[in-house]
Amino acid sequence: EVQLLESGGGLVQPGGSLRLSCAASGFTFSNYAMTWVRQAPGKGLEGVSTLSGSGRSTYYADSVKGRFTISRDNSANTVYLQMNSLRVEDTAIYYCAKPRGASGWESADYWGQGTLVTVSS
Amino acid sequence: EKVMTQSPATLSVSPGERATLSCRASQSVGSSLAWYQQKPGQAPRLLIYGASTRATGIPDRFSGSGSGTEFTLTISSLQSEDFAVYYCQQYNNWPLTFGGGTKVEIK
Repeated sequence: EVQLLESGGGLVQPGGSLRLSCAASGFTFSNYAMTWVRQAPGKGLEGVSTLSGSGRSTYYADSVKGRFTISRDNSANTVYLQMNSLRVEDTAIYYCAKPRGASGWESADYWGQGTLVTVSS
Repeated sequence: EKVMTQSPATLSVSPGERATLSCRASQSVGSSLAWYQQKPGQAPRLLIYGASTRATGIPDRFSGSGSGTEFTLTISSLQSEDFAVYYCQQYNNWPLTFGGGTKVEIK
């Protein structure tokens, strides 16, 4: 059974940093790109960042480029999102998501339960 | 960036009735279009991928159609558990973009 478990969210002041983790199980982790998607309170979904299975290719939304860094440890089946220079507008539930297929861009067939990041003074 | 626009924002439907949700892409996404269902306090759930293929375990009352820039999700006979927010997403290329959602509420 595929499981994705996010952790690391919390309350942080503007300008601060947080590192989110997503522990995966139930599939061959290194074969799949992994994506972080966020959802601001009462709002829609936004793709934040994607990292290829090998870790060599990274993609970021313009809104986080230069501030967030995605990485992975395939030996630990975990993907990370390092968030620096946090802004109030980064407040959201952050989900990690697994693509349905192992090649190319794909829809997300499994999602974690999400971790809440609140940026406030 | 491919902008996804969903309509209507809210759809009021009685149980047992048909619901038709629309999604339009600002540029062609081919068939790289997915639909998700989200209930309060839950993560999104994949319903449809490839514009028209039901994901594993999705009831056949859900169907998707379209290609290019115009897509439709149809729920043939709404059940109580179907009242939720529905999002379309294009995955033709990065950035992956979602529509603003359609809330299906009980009439």
